Amino acid sequence: ELKVEQNPLFLSMQEGKNYTIYCNYSTTSDRLYWYRQDPGKSLESLFVLLSNGAVKQEGRLMASLDTKARLSTLHITAAVHDLSATYFCAPPGGGADGLTFGKGTHLIIQP
Amino acid sequence: KAGVTQTPRYLIKTRGQQVTLSCSPISGHRSVSWYQQTPGQGLQFLFEYFSETQRNKGNFPGRFSGRQFSNSRSEMNVSTLELGDSALYLCASSLEGEWTEAFFGQGTRLTVV
Repeated sequence: ELKVEQNPLFLSMQEGKNYTIYCNYSTTSDRLYWYRQDPGKSLESLFVLLSNGAVKQEGRLMASLDTKARLSTLHITAAVHDLSATYFCAPPGGGADGLTFGKGTHLIIQP
Repeated sequence: KAGVTQTPRYLIKTRGQQVTLSCSPISGHRSVSWYQQTPGQGLQFLFEYFSETQRNKGNFPGRFSGRQFSNSRSEMNVSTLELGDSALYLCASSLEGEWTEAFFGQGTRLTVV
């Protein structure tokens, strides 16, 4: 059974600061997805990481994947209030695991 | 391009009743997955359908079932509802391959009283 651990689960930071969210998973997976969820809303696909060493950037967010270390990171550069949301990582575990989501990182960015 | 459409958006049911939720995937997508989201357990995989066949199934009791039609639309059914079934049920569609990028609908908020 695939286990996914995100750190931190809660993060309050000021605008303009940088921070990294970590996603560790327990068994081999060749790809990983990052999603964003706003309160009361659905999941929005942010990044698709399909291979070891993959790095994707969109605006102030950058995601990377190290399949050997079973680690993905989501880096926030010069945070702005609009990035406040809950972020989930999800490697596919397959079978009964499906797309296995971490518990999410609840990010609050204060002006 | 229309996104994933789930109906209804909100439901209130009584314990012991059954409920059917509907999902229309993005046009051209043939895989549909269902997830349950609760504050305590987070996002959990229910099942995945492809070409009208259940391709993968999560660890939920048999009260949770689903099906997919020839037009890729999917329904999930929960029988004998329990209070703990109160959750946001999310449907996601993907092109074809297993565990390719999934696009989520707005969800159905089910409350069991």
